[in-house]
Amino acid sequence: AQKITQTQPGMFVQEKEAVTLDCTYDTSDPSYGLFWYKQPSSGEMIFLIYQGSYDQQNATEGRYSLNFQKARKSANLVISASQLGDSAMYFCAMRGDSGGGADGLTFGKGTHLIIQP
Amino acid sequence: DTEVTQTPKHLVMGMTNKKSLKCEQHMGHRAMYWYKQKAKKPPELMFVYSYEKLSINESVPSRFSPECPNSSLLNLHLHALQPEDSALYLCASSHNGVGGRSGSYGYTFGSGTRLTVV
Repeated sequence: AQKITQTQPGMFVQEKEAVTLDCTYDTSDPSYGLFWYKQPSSGEMIFLIYQGSYDQQNATEGRYSLNFQKARKSANLVISASQLGDSAMYFCAMRGDSGGGADGLTFGKGTHLIIQP
Repeated sequence: DTEVTQTPKHLVMGMTNKKSLKCEQHMGHRAMYWYKQKAKKPPELMFVYSYEKLSINESVPSRFSPECPNSSLLNLHLHALQPEDSALYLCASSHNGVGGRSGSYGYTFGSGTRLTVV
């Protein structure tokens, strides 16, 4: 079984500051993938960044970076220079590799991020 | 085309109605998914189709009936729903395989159907 834990239900951050959203996970799969998604109030799930369990380097995508600490089973999202448009719900999610077939994602409870001017 | 299209965007139905949600993608993905998301909660996996065959059913009540007529289309047929089934229903697709970078094996989500059962 897989479990994702996000311990920050909500965060208020000043515009232009960096933000770290916490995510820890638990799985018995030796190979897995970790994802971060952004969900604005409109509802669509927007992919932000991916980290594979065997990736040697931390993933980066523009202003997003993933602080992956495998031994601690953590995959924190870092947003640099936050913008008002970053206000949304953020979900950490995991997919296990159960043998090559299609696997759904297991989501954490999410963090509601509000960027203040 | 890098989108997953869901229709309708909003749906209000009575408890005795029969309705269907539709999901379409043209990215060549061979895995498609239905998720249910209640307000202020994370999405929960309902069904997974792999190569047009149902591979995962997360103990979903039979009043929800999925269908995958072809590799591009996924339907969710609704019948005799309850008010507690009101939620955002999200469809997603992915390549069927390991790996996970968006654009290769990542998941692409539609914008969802907001369902209200009255």
